[in-house]
Amino acid sequence: NLILTQPHSVSESPGKTVTISCTGSSASITTNYVQWYQQRPGSAPTVVIYEDNQRPSGVPDRFSGSIDYSSNSASLTISGLKTEDESHYYCQSYDSSNHVVFGGGTKLTVL
Amino acid sequence: QVQLVESGGGVVQPGRSLRLSCAPSGFTFGNYAMHWVRQTPGKGLQWVSLISYDGTTEYNPDSVKGRFTISRDNSKNTLFLQMNNVRAEDTAVYYCAKERVAFSVTWSMYQWGQGTLVTVSS
Repeated sequence: NLILTQPHSVSESPGKTVTISCTGSSASITTNYVQWYQQRPGSAPTVVIYEDNQRPSGVPDRFSGSIDYSSNSASLTISGLKTEDESHYYCQSYDSSNHVVFGGGTKLTVL
Repeated sequence: QVQLVESGGGVVQPGRSLRLSCAPSGFTFGNYAMHWVRQTPGKGLQWVSLISYDGTTEYNPDSVKGRFTISRDNSKNTLFLQMNNVRAEDTAVYYCAKERVAFSVTWSMYQWGQGTLVTVSS
């Protein structure tokens, strides 16, 4: 079974760039697409990246996604950080049993 | 504009049943597979169930298999989650979510509702 591991929290200053990792367990994270969701306090999640690196319309190009095959991980990179980016971020994929899997979530603090 | 509105949450005793509903608008409901995802208070996201666009196929994790059933009525534009024999650990906000691509399953949640809270307590 696939397990996705994210750092519990990251922090960075406004204007800087931050990268949030999502590492797969023994199963390969690169087999199936990875999505990233942003969740602000008190709100439902919204997708910011789908199919590894695609941005939905309306998501700023400051958000980008990538896959590192060598480390079996996905990454969400946010450049030009703004205070409004302060949220929880979740990676998500699915496994060979057709089960959706979420990472544990990363709290991004912009200070 | 896509909208998903969940309802049916509330307080339910352990071992009892509850049925959640999701009312979609802004898209052709019968063309899209749908998910239920839950979030325990202060915790992360857990996938609960997926149903194909035509209702013929469903998937769910072992944690709810045999207790929860996802269904849909495309003629009435409604998604359901029947929750039987509920447990304290089922306490969560339950979200319905729409797939991105019509007539397909991409295993992603492209739009989400605002959620409905289910509390299992005696």
